[in-house]
Amino acid sequence: GENVEQHPSTLSVQEGDSAVIKCTYSDSASNYFPWYKQELGKRPQLIIDIRSNVGEKKDQRIAVTLNKTAKHFSLHITETQPEDSAVYFCAASTGANSKLTFGKGITLSVRP
Amino acid sequence: EADIYQTPRYLVIGTGKKITLECSQTMGHDKMYWYQQDPGMELHLIHYSYGVNSTEKGDLSSESTVSRIRTEHFPLTLESARPSHTSQYLCASRIAGTGAYEQYFGPGTRLTVT
Repeated sequence: GENVEQHPSTLSVQEGDSAVIKCTYSDSASNYFPWYKQELGKRPQLIIDIRSNVGEKKDQRIAVTLNKTAKHFSLHITETQPEDSAVYFCAASTGANSKLTFGKGITLSVRP
Repeated sequence: EADIYQTPRYLVIGTGKKITLECSQTMGHDKMYWYQQDPGMELHLIHYSYGVNSTEKGDLSSESTVSRIRTEHFPLTLESARPSHTSQYLCASRIAGTGAYEQYFGPGTRLTVT
């Protein structure tokens, strides 16, 4: 089955700096890669996703890049703000009828 | 408002009790999921359903059971709660089909078994 790994497990950045979170996946058939943000005590919420037919997607301060050859994808957050502090989960799926396989999550702390 | 709802939000119960965690969604989604998560930690899939009368066990073995008699309703039952069941339980749903993959989560039920 699919295996998704996230590195590092924690990340601390200064407000205004950029943050990059990387994930690797094992199944070359995976074609959908979402990122979820979970604030303390809240439910996970989708912040951005990418399908395997594109290499990059951007939405304001966040972007996701996908390298299918190397089987990794990354979340980029620019101009970080304290409200970006949360746990971020990456995930992968092989298609419409498949389950999402989640990484273990990374705790991002943005220092004011 | 279209959303996914879970009740109760918090539950403290004694060992050996039977409990049912409720999950309902008003989005007409066919696919529904149950995850177990310790706060801020990994999401473990314990059950899923692709539609009415469809239920499957997830990646993490669980003593709980689920049912799917109606599209909008996906309850999870523990016949005899134990302290090891203390955790947060998140329900999720998504639409079927090839064009829409987003999975929506409910607010969760935080279960404590004493």
